[in-house]
Amino acid sequence: GAGVSQTPSNKVTEKGKYVELRCDPISGHTALYWYRQSLGQGPEFLIYFQGTGAADDSGLPNDRFFAVRPEGSVSTLKIQRTERGDSAVYLCASSLNTGVGNNEQFFGPGTRLTVL
Amino acid sequence: AQSVTQLGSHVSVSEGALVLLRCNYSSSVPPYLFWYVQYPNQGLQLLLKYTTGATLVKGINGFEAEFKKSETSFHLTKPSAHMSDAAEYFCAVSDRQRGNKLVFGAGTILRVKS
Repeated sequence: GAGVSQTPSNKVTEKGKYVELRCDPISGHTALYWYRQSLGQGPEFLIYFQGTGAADDSGLPNDRFFAVRPEGSVSTLKIQRTERGDSAVYLCASSLNTGVGNNEQFFGPGTRLTVL
Repeated sequence: AQSVTQLGSHVSVSEGALVLLRCNYSSSVPPYLFWYVQYPNQGLQLLLKYTTGATLVKGINGFEAEFKKSETSFHLTKPSAHMSDAAEYFCAVSDRQRGNKLVFGAGTILRVKS
């Protein structure tokens, strides 16, 4: 079956521009996570959704970052006024639900964002 | 807060040799622990996980890991390395109190020499 997909796979933008990154989770997965992986580091949590609501957005670095999941499926991570430090690979993952801690998170291939 | 420390950012082994990748964690609650592998230009793939029960867990591709509570460790091993094992490996702990988000270590790049 189809896994988690992310578009675009690569995004190059200029400092100060606005970008949107899209995630299509596995069908039926109610939980969706966004992580950011900077060069040479492990992924860092940004935000997670249970259904349509953002249940924990404590990892968003500042108010330039925002994410939505209006229908409980596809999610969009939005970054305003991009900065060079935002350059990273943005990973999306989904799982059946968050009620049980051992539910496996399935990761997408990521979107590589480069801010010039 | 939970944290994960992976000792050794790079590990090099010969083909056929034992693979040992070290992971230590910090958690205020009983942890769920994971090992993920990332091949170049690919997404993270789950190798194995520990939740409850047997402390020695077996995963895909011949890997296994042992949860040692007294040592707060979850080291990954494979008896005989194969060239195809060359990849980056990440240890992670699940924050069950905060929606099961994963807290990752910095990763270990495994190189396999022929």
